[in-house]
Amino acid sequence: GENVEQHPSTLSVQEGDSAVIKCTYSDSASNYFPWYKQELGKRPQLIIDIRSNVGEKKDQRIAVTLNKTAKHFSLHITETQPEDSAVYFCAATTSGSARQLTFGSGTQLTVLP
Amino acid sequence: DVKVTQSSRYLVKRTGEKVFLECVQDMDHENMFWYRQDPGLGLRLIYFSYDVKMKEKGDIPEGYSVSREKKERFSLILESASTNQTSMYLCASSSGQGPYEQYFGPGTRLTVT
Repeated sequence: GENVEQHPSTLSVQEGDSAVIKCTYSDSASNYFPWYKQELGKRPQLIIDIRSNVGEKKDQRIAVTLNKTAKHFSLHITETQPEDSAVYFCAATTSGSARQLTFGSGTQLTVLP
Repeated sequence: DVKVTQSSRYLVKRTGEKVFLECVQDMDHENMFWYRQDPGLGLRLIYFSYDVKMKEKGDIPEGYSVSREKKERFSLILESASTNQTSMYLCASSSGQGPYEQYFGPGTRLTVT
């Protein structure tokens, strides 16, 4: 089945700096790559996603890039703010089922004021 | 606004007890999922269902069962709770044959003593 690896597990940045979180996946048939943000004590919520026919997608301060050849995708957050502090999860569709997602292990992002 | 609710936020049970966790969604979603969230392990799929009375095993089904008698409700059952099932349990739902966004419930923190 699909295997998704996420790095780093923890990331601290100064407010205003950029943050990058990287994920690799194993199944070349995966075609959907969402990113979820989970604030402390809250449920995970989708912040951005990308499909395999697109190389990059941006939404204000966040962007996701996808390299299908290398089987990796990344989340980029620019001009970080304290409210960006959270756990971020990447995911990819599971081999054999477009309905299922396999999640990475998560990255704890801390934005220091 | 999609709403996914779970029956309890916190639950404390004794070893050997039968435990029921319930999830309800109000968006007429076909797909429902149960995940387990542990630090450093991300979200791991226990079971999912893509239709009433249908169920599929996820990555870690051992020690769990599920029930989906109505489209809006998906129950996770621990037949005989054990201490290694102490965890955060998250329910999610999504529409159609995918891949689409999964909407999460607030989670149930289960402690088995």
